[in-house]
Amino acid sequence: EAGVAQSPRYKIIEKRQSVAFWCNPISGHATLYWYQQILGQGPKLLIQFQNNGVVDDSQLPKDRFSAERLKGVDSTLKIQPAKLEDSAVYLCASSWGQGTNTGELFFGEGSRLTVL
Amino acid sequence: SQQGEEDPQALSIQEGENATMNCSYKTSINNLQWYRQNSGRGLVHLILIRSNEREKHSGRLRVTLDTSKKSSSLLITASRAADTASYFCATRGSSNTGKLIFGQGTTLQVKP
Repeated sequence: EAGVAQSPRYKIIEKRQSVAFWCNPISGHATLYWYQQILGQGPKLLIQFQNNGVVDDSQLPKDRFSAERLKGVDSTLKIQPAKLEDSAVYLCASSWGQGTNTGELFFGEGSRLTVL
Repeated sequence: SQQGEEDPQALSIQEGENATMNCSYKTSINNLQWYRQNSGRGLVHLILIRSNEREKHSGRLRVTLDTSKKSSSLLITASRAADTASYFCATRGSSNTGKLIFGQGTTLQVKP
């Protein structure tokens, strides 16, 4: 079974530039998550999709971050314009089930963003 | 916001010793999960314990859950150098969203 695919693995940009990350979840997984992990911290949930609908985006900085999950499959997370504090690893994860019936998450390797 | 608080933040032990990590959380949960993260990699699921369970085992892992104290512990027995990693607890709340919130993690170093 193929895992969660993410690209690019690494990206370096200057502040105020834009960047986009792509995620392809495990086939058949209804729920897709984007987490931000700053060095030395635990992952912070940015947005959670169930199929192609947003379930939770309460911690997504909507003035600069956007995400979509077209056709309920792969997803794109965009940052525009980037700030220095956006330097982090962006982790995509997917899972079976919905709501409280959701079990374990399967994570991709992450996309490491450095903003200069 | 982070729900889980892990203790200790860092732990260094010798190979063969046991490692215990603790996690405390604030609100009611549906389940609690533990994940491992090797340096520069994604997270890997280790074990899930439901709110109506008190203890669970998986190989060298033992997880306990005390919902009255809102705490959990992860015990790794007979540790190996390959267990060196960061370990995170994550709680899934009782709401319909099934949001999974991670703690700050414990960094474990196992010396050969």
